[in-house]
Amino acid sequence: KNQVEQSPQSLIILEGKNCTLQCNYTVSPFSNLRWYKQDTGRGPVSLTIMTFSENTKSNGRYTATLDADTKQSSLHITASQLSDSASYICVPLLRDQGGKLIFGQGTELSVKP
Amino acid sequence: GAVVSQHPSRVICKSGTSVKIECRSLDFQATTMFWYRQFPKQSLMLMATSNEGSKATYEQGVEKDKFLINHASLTLSTLTVTSAHPEDSSFYICSADGGKRGATDTQYFGPGTRLTVL
Repeated sequence: KNQVEQSPQSLIILEGKNCTLQCNYTVSPFSNLRWYKQDTGRGPVSLTIMTFSENTKSNGRYTATLDADTKQSSLHITASQLSDSASYICVPLLRDQGGKLIFGQGTELSVKP
Repeated sequence: GAVVSQHPSRVICKSGTSVKIECRSLDFQATTMFWYRQFPKQSLMLMATSNEGSKATYEQGVEKDKFLINHASLTLSTLTVTSAHPEDSSFYICSADGGKRGATDTQYFGPGTRLTVL
């Protein structure tokens, strides 16, 4: 069964601090993996997209890593800001499934001043 | 970047009525659109996949007669919740894929529609 597990479920950090969110997946066959940011009451916004051959990809203060062998990914946020408070969702894309995404439960990040 | 809009952003209706939600790709043509539902504190759940000009493909457990999907043009898909009940209250989100069917990095999400059924 295709599954995505994210940890921690929720996280509270102080503004300016760094944090790392984890994602383990058992999706197969695997095409690529995305990290999305979802603000409360809004649709998801893509942060990074990595194919199975990529190990790391950055987008500003966001850096995602991928280990396709162990089926693990992480999202590192540097110098957090209050606006980073959101749900961060790990989303593998099934290969040959017409664009079907498998959504993780997400990590609820709260950045406090 | 590509923009996907949804209308309305929120709707409150009485039990038994039908509600139509529109999803539009504003600056690109979407060969495929996806409809998701999200309950509080839960992840997005795919309801159906619709390709322009053909019938939607529904996920297991989603009633196609209750959730009517129409993808009549390359920029518009609609989801109609028929005979809505309080348990249909949820956050409905669409996404649009601007690339070849099954493309990997051209799927963009709308802002979502909050449906509340009284």
